[in-house]
Amino acid sequence: DQQVKQNSPSLSVQEGRISILNCDYTNSMFDYFLWYKKYPAEGPTFLISISSIKDKNEDGRFTVFLNKSAKHLSLHIVPSQPGDSAVYFCADHGSSNTGKLIFGQGTTLQVKP
Amino acid sequence: DTGVSQDPRHKITKRGQNVTFRCDPISEHNRLYWYRQTLGQGPEFLTYFQNEAQLEKSRLLSDRFSAERPKGSFSTLEIQRTEQGDSAMYLCASSLPGLVNEQYFGPGTRLTVT
Repeated sequence: DQQVKQNSPSLSVQEGRISILNCDYTNSMFDYFLWYKKYPAEGPTFLISISSIKDKNEDGRFTVFLNKSAKHLSLHIVPSQPGDSAVYFCADHGSSNTGKLIFGQGTTLQVKP
Repeated sequence: DTGVSQDPRHKITKRGQNVTFRCDPISEHNRLYWYRQTLGQGPEFLTYFQNEAQLEKSRLLSDRFSAERPKGSFSTLEIQRTEQGDSAMYLCASSLPGLVNEQYFGPGTRLTVT
């Protein structure tokens, strides 16, 4: 079965430092991954994605790295800001026809001022 | 662009009652998804529409759940004979056609079954 795992339920970092959130996957169909951020009482919002033709994608303070041989991806936030405090989900595409997403369990990031 | 909206935001119901949720996607998005999220977990796929056609349902989806998208615009998700295990956040998302377009999520409907 296709699976996405985020093994760290929580992460706490100091403002200005780097936050690194990790995600492992198995049996990906397309090696195309997305990161979503979720604040309380809101739906997840798209943050950044990466496809298999790249091993890195950068958007401002956010960079996602993909290591296909290790079946691992990571999201780096630098510098971290208190407003980044949220739950972060990585997701894999789970179907060739529908684009449905398979999510990890999420990592709660707390950035301390 | 007003984003994806969902109604109601919160629903408390007694076990055995039926409930219906509504989702209004972004207007030009022809793909619509329903997900369910429980505490400590990521969203779990329930079902998918392309225009008015329901093209996929999760194997985990009970027969008590039904979804419609009658005119290819808004969608409804109905749960019949609710059970306490149905308590969760129900999320709707929409996207443009194509495999790799990101999905835009609504704020969700939080269901509590007592």
